[in-house]
Amino acid sequence: DAGVIQSPRHEVTEMGQEVTLRCKPISGHDYLFWYRQTMMRGLELLIYFNNNVPIDDSGMPEDRFSAKMPNASFSTLKIQPSEPRDSAVYFCASSLDPGTGNWSGNTIYFGEGSWLTVV
Amino acid sequence: KQEVTQIPAALSVPEGENLVLNCSFTDSAIYNLQWFRQDPGKGLTSLLLIQSSQREQTSGRLNASLDKSSGRSTLYIAASQPGDSATYLCAAASANFGNEKLTFGTGTRLTIIP
Repeated sequence: DAGVIQSPRHEVTEMGQEVTLRCKPISGHDYLFWYRQTMMRGLELLIYFNNNVPIDDSGMPEDRFSAKMPNASFSTLKIQPSEPRDSAVYFCASSLDPGTGNWSGNTIYFGEGSWLTVV
Repeated sequence: KQEVTQIPAALSVPEGENLVLNCSFTDSAIYNLQWFRQDPGKGLTSLLLIQSSQREQTSGRLNASLDKSSGRSTLYIAASQPGDSATYLCAAASANFGNEKLTFGTGTRLTIIP
């Protein structure tokens, strides 16, 4: 398998523009995660899906952020309108069942990230 | 709220030395503690996962330990090599949030000097 595939790898956009980040998880994985990484805040979970259904979006910073997973092989993270403080690396990750309670399940696999700069 | 800390933020050691990376967490009610490696411009790669009932896990030259009572985990790297240069992050899966929601430390950037 090619791993988790993200696009674009790099994007520079002007403030106020819409940004769409894309992710293709590993085939067969039923969990998909979107993370954001910044120098100040480190790696933060934004939202995760199970079987294409959003389970927890409490990490989404504002209403300007939205995520969808229309099918098992594709997810998008959209920022509209974008602001300079949204500049970060956005990672998509996927896994099989992470586990329940003290049974900790499967490895999580990360994509190489989408490097977003909003000017 | 779980907080995960990694000190130091950066570490340089000569090739061949053994070294220890530290990870502290504030909430001892964890399901597991995981260690990841991140190369520049790349995503994270899972190295080791220690379940809450375990004390350590080993993979090749890597050994990770877990002491829940003190809120600490260490990653031991034996006979370091230049290829080990990367940022190492630890992450805790807390009982309050479940295995799906990992809390990450900010990482230790390791440089192995040839």
